[in-house]
Amino acid sequence: GQQVMQIPQYQHVQEGEDFTTYCNSSTTLSNIQWYKQRPGGHPVFLIQLVKSGEVKKQKRLTFQFGEAKKNSSLHITATQTTDVGTYFCAGLGGSQGNLIFGKGTKLSVKP
Amino acid sequence: EAGVAQSPRYKIIEKRQSVAFWCNPISGHATLYWYQQILGQGPKLLIQFQNNGVVDDSQLPKDRFSAERLKGVDSTLKIQPAKLEDSAVYLCASSLDRGTAYGYTFGSGTRLTVV
Repeated sequence: GQQVMQIPQYQHVQEGEDFTTYCNSSTTLSNIQWYKQRPGGHPVFLIQLVKSGEVKKQKRLTFQFGEAKKNSSLHITATQTTDVGTYFCAGLGGSQGNLIFGKGTKLSVKP
Repeated sequence: EAGVAQSPRYKIIEKRQSVAFWCNPISGHATLYWYQQILGQGPKLLIQFQNNGVVDDSQLPKDRFSAERLKGVDSTLKIQPAKLEDSAVYLCASSLDRGTAYGYTFGSGTRLTVV
């Protein structure tokens, strides 16, 4: 079945450093979504990418969708303590068009 | 707008007991999902409803899990009998349509501990 893989599993950074998480799918995706889950919280939708090669920015966050629509990345510039949490990518695929989540990248930020 | 409501927030049961979770999606959201999130992992889809019909339940362990969405609004997920490996957070989510153009909105989840 379709799989969505994320690396790294954990990332510890000093506040002010940059952070990147990568997402790869075993199949071509119609779109990809990114979610953030704070400790003890629930996933919150950040953004959706649809077009091949698409790049979107939200303040310090930059999201990219690969040309082949099988990979994506999230880059955070100058991390802050408020960025702490687990970032999930989720690919829309499968026979029923369901979201398949990766295992997430857990980001910790040291002040 | 009000978010996705779930209850209870926490539940502790013994193995082989039964348990039920309730979800009320965002008003107007036709599609409702139940996800299971085991600690340290991403959410795993259990079942998807479109209005009151099941779209996908291929990942639902039907020998012990059941779900319904009567009247196409709120939904219940039941586990009977529970096993230790069912300990997880059960997340309900809803979206405007199956295309998820605006993302899924998740509820706060029910944290189930089976002892």
